[in-house]
Amino acid sequence: DIQMTQSPSSLSASVGDRVTITCRASQGISNYLAWYQQKPGTVPKLLIYGASTLQSGVPSRFSGGGFGTDFTLTISSLQPEDVATYYCQEYISAPWTFGRGTRVDI
Amino acid sequence: QVQLQQWGAGVVKPSETLSLICGVYGGSFSDYYWSWIRQSPGKGLEWIGEVHHSGSTKYNPSFKSRVTISADTSKSQFSLKVNSATAADTAIYYCARGRPASGTVAPFHSWGQGSLVIVSS
Repeated sequence: DIQMTQSPSSLSASVGDRVTITCRASQGISNYLAWYQQKPGTVPKLLIYGASTLQSGVPSRFSGGGFGTDFTLTISSLQPEDVATYYCQEYISAPWTFGRGTRVDI
Repeated sequence: QVQLQQWGAGVVKPSETLSLICGVYGGSFSDYYWSWIRQSPGKGLEWIGEVHHSGSTKYNPSFKSRVTISADTSKSQFSLKVNSATAADTAIYYCARGRPASGTVAPFHSWGQGSLVIVSS
């Protein structure tokens, strides 16, 4: 199985700050990397797929990058509604695996 | 836009079978693979397995010996059964739309509302 390692596990930042979360795959996954946002008490929501393609309706302050084994999710200007846990997921080969999540607080 | 609605028993006794069903609305059941995913504090998000409308399945080896996922095309539903449940199976279970039926890869675009299942006597 491919192991997905996220860092940090949690962070606290101020409104307007630039926030970056990293995700590392235990082996190369090309760009088959997705990011999900899960707000407290809700279902995970797909934010980004293909490492950098924003899902329809996702604010442009979110961006993704990377290829191979190292990936990033960046929030260019953190907003109160961005408080959530963010998960990366590889989808190059089953069993599809997720990172353990990064909790973002303000 | 496809919507998924899931239901099933919220409490299961140890050693019994955990069962959930997911209904697919507003989309073509035959166009995708359909997955079950669970979330627990100890293990995080875990993909359990997937089913194709033809009945073809793929399971996470971590679950394979205890899990059955099946599809009912006539009702646009798919189901999950986990045998010999233990406390470690206590989790929120989600159904989700997976990769296209053609076999190309894709993330999980749509999720059900989630079902908390507690394994306890």
